[in-house]
This record gives sequence, C-alpha cells and structure tokens, in this order.
Amino acid sequence: ETGVTQTPRHLVMGMTNKKSLKCEQHLGHNAMYWYKQSAKKPLELMFVYSLEERVENNSVPSRFSPECPNSSHLFLHLHTLQPEDSALYLCASSQDRGHEKLFFGSGTQLSVL
Amino acid sequence: GENVEQHPSTLSVQEGDSAVIKCTYSDSASNYFPWYKQELGKRPQLIIDIRSNVGEKKDQRIAVTLNKTAKHFSLHITETQPEDSAVYFCAASRQTGANNLFFGTGTRLTVIP
Repeated sequence: ETGVTQTPRHLVMGMTNKKSLKCEQHLGHNAMYWYKQSAKKPLELMFVYSLEERVENNSVPSRFSPECPNSSHLFLHLHTLQPEDSALYLCASSQDRGHEKLFFGSGTQLSVL
Repeated sequence: GENVEQHPSTLSVQEGDSAVIKCTYSDSASNYFPWYKQELGKRPQLIIDIRSNVGEKKDQRIAVTLNKTAKHFSLHITETQPEDSAVYFCAASRQTGANNLFFGTGTRLTVIP
C-alpha cells in the first residue's frame, strides 16, 4: 500500500496494559507526526520527528512515548493510560518539517477501559 | 498561540446547493490556511489551501476566500454532491512547517440527495 499506513485500526486496552501504535510511510518523506483527534476538539499535535530526531513535544503526558527508528517508521508506545486518552490517533508525514502539506494515515481508534 | 474557531459544527444542504464553512483566527501573523476533508472512517486529506498574499483560490467546485483584515477565511463548495459529505477542518499557520498548524474543531457536512 502506498501513502501512510497505521496499525492497528482499532485497539481496546485496560489502564494497566502496555501497547504500541505503528505508523509507516511509503512517500519518502522526512518528517512524521502524531496527532490526537477527540470528538468536538481540534486536532492536537503530540509529537514531531524530522529526520528521526524529535523536534517537538507538545506537553504530552509521559504515558505516551514516541519512537522513530528511521524516517519511514514511527511508533507510539502507550502505558498506564487513562479513559480520557480514548481517541483517534493519527499519524501524518510531510516532505520535510518546512513543508506544510500533511499526508495522514487512517488512524488507530483507541478505547481505554 | 493561535486560536482557530470554525462554524458551523454541522451543516446540511440539499444536493446541488452551495455550502459555506467559516473560520476565524487570532494571530495576525498567520499566513497559510489549508482545508482538510475527512470522510467517515477515512483519513483527513488536504483539499485546498491559500496563502495570505492572495484573497481567493478556486479548484473546480471548491474555493477558499481570505479576509486578512477581519482574520477570517471560508470554504465554499458549489453544486454539492453526496460524496461531498464529510467533516471539513480548517487550519492556520504563521510560518512554514506543518508542526505549526492550528486546526479548527471541524464541520460535519451532510449533502442530502
């Protein structure tokens, strides 16, 4: 598949679980992002990676831990989440950090019980 | 930081009619304004964008207008079709780089056949 792919599409986890979200982009882009999408709220930028280096962390709780092993892959490690963390988590990429056009994945719908 | 407000939150129109979605922004230094479309269960996709050096941009049935003085911009969809049904997000950025995009809360457009 071309573009940005995310797995899993759906995830249900308890508050004591540890899970990881995966994102892969096949566009040759150099910047990758994690966004949180909650109902009736603006898309919230969580993390930005440019050339595998984290360049922005928008005061996200430490229970969310990103990892970018190379420019094509991005992970979001989750542990001891809260019910209010339930949301759609979107991965995106862009040509580089200075390029505005975002290409989004289809997201992981996360439910924390 | 930037604050982007989007109205209405929901909009229903008859097929063939026009739809208008409005956004206001607070930072007068913002100079890039994209619109993303997110169909149900799918990823957000960029449909049109405008920079502050122009007042209007068109692409077939969609157009965006910008009023820098009033700090608002609008998306116009003419001759609406059922496939236009989606959630539309506006965003604003004051400098190059997708990590500086501030999104609105979204408008759910329903086109009634």
